[in-house]
Amino acid sequence: DGGITQSPKYLFRKEGQNVTLSCEQNLNHDAMYWYRQDPGQGLRLIYYSQIVNDFQKGDIAEGYSVSREKKESFPLTVTSAQKNPTAFYLCASSIAPRGAGELFFGEGSRLTVL
Amino acid sequence: SQQGEEDPQALSIQEGENATMNCSYKTSINNLQWYRQNSGRGLVHLILIRSNEREKHSGRLRVTLDTSKKSSSLLITASRAADTASYFCATWTGTASKLTFGTGTRLQVTL
Repeated sequence: DGGITQSPKYLFRKEGQNVTLSCEQNLNHDAMYWYRQDPGQGLRLIYYSQIVNDFQKGDIAEGYSVSREKKESFPLTVTSAQKNPTAFYLCASSIAPRGAGELFFGEGSRLTVL
Repeated sequence: SQQGEEDPQALSIQEGENATMNCSYKTSINNLQWYRQNSGRGLVHLILIRSNEREKHSGRLRVTLDTSKKSSSLLITASRAADTASYFCATWTGTASKLTFGTGTRLQVTL
């Protein structure tokens, strides 16, 4: 079955540690996105990538980094510079460029800073 | 920045009733999309309506778009307990390479 796989589903981090969230898709989509969701809030865009080896900052990129070395993979690193990293992180992909069409989402990764 | 704002923030209805959620946005759009999110899960795309369309149907869902008022509504007819979820609108403006999501409406359907 085609889809987006995020891992881990739950992650705990001590302050000062970097953590990497995995996102893999087998939909053959060019575009991939990372969103952050806080309780009772909408989604805010962290980073997006329209093509391999290229990515752009979203609205809240500070304290995060990404890479896009393969079409299927778009990992997100939450660095120690992110002041409030506890949140629900969602990865998505789309076949249409620049978010013009439907987004397909993974099941999310919940990060808690201890 | 939040482009879309849903109203109401929360809605509680009984099974069989219709549920209506509204979305308002600030700038001109190319399309508007509605998504559903079950608690603790990812979002699922429901329907996309383009700026030159006024109404669209998909099963029990009916979406309207009024570009003059910069607003959209999502109607779920004959609701079921399984419709309990949060519903988000998202807008694509064409100038920015991203969808911008609203804050969502939490729908509770009781038996």
